[in-house]
Amino acid sequence: DVKVTQSSRYLVKRTGEKVFLECVQDMDHENMFWYRQDPGLGLRLIYFSYDVKMKEKGDIPEGYSVSREKKERFSLILESASTNQTSMYLCASSLAQGGNQPQHFGDGTRLSIL
Amino acid sequence: AQSVTQPDIHITVSEGASLELRCNYSYGATPYLFWYVQSPGQGLQLLLKYFSGDTLVQGIKGFEAEFKRSQSSFNLRKPSVHWSDAAEYFCAVSNQAGTALIFGKGTTLSVSS
Repeated sequence: DVKVTQSSRYLVKRTGEKVFLECVQDMDHENMFWYRQDPGLGLRLIYFSYDVKMKEKGDIPEGYSVSREKKERFSLILESASTNQTSMYLCASSLAQGGNQPQHFGDGTRLSIL
Repeated sequence: AQSVTQPDIHITVSEGASLELRCNYSYGATPYLFWYVQSPGQGLQLLLKYFSGDTLVQGIKGFEAEFKRSQSSFNLRKPSVHWSDAAEYFCAVSNQAGTALIFGKGTTLSVSS
């Protein structure tokens, strides 16, 4: 089974802090994704990466950056955290073999910015 | 543009009763369609997927879904609901490259005893 591991289940940070969310997958997947999930808005794509050091903006990239130095690891960075970034963050990975490949999700990180 | 609509925000079903969750999609080409389930505080788990072939697909946990191109629908069904099925269900459509997965806003299922 594919395992996508997010480093923290719950995280509390302060406004203005630099925040790192880490995600690791163990199935040699080329694609990795970061989403945020908010009530009533569903899941929205922040960034995705299709290879090491490669990234593409999703629907809501403002205020975020990402890093992919190794194939198995994809980090989401909040450069200067703000209260409107309080949310559930989900990481996912998939094979780069087309749209029929499902994305596999981690358990999520619930981030609170105070 | 691709989009997914789940018309029902919240559904309550009695334990043992049948279930149907609705999903309508908008996509120009042959769609790649998925259903995911999310238990409280958890990530998303894949229930089933459709990309070609038989329009009735079987998934895990006794779920099935039927693709109807004429109605642009991909409804999820289960003949007999268990209390453990209470969760949030998401329908999603992927682009051809697999680099964009568009989700519906989800349907929350409650199961009454």
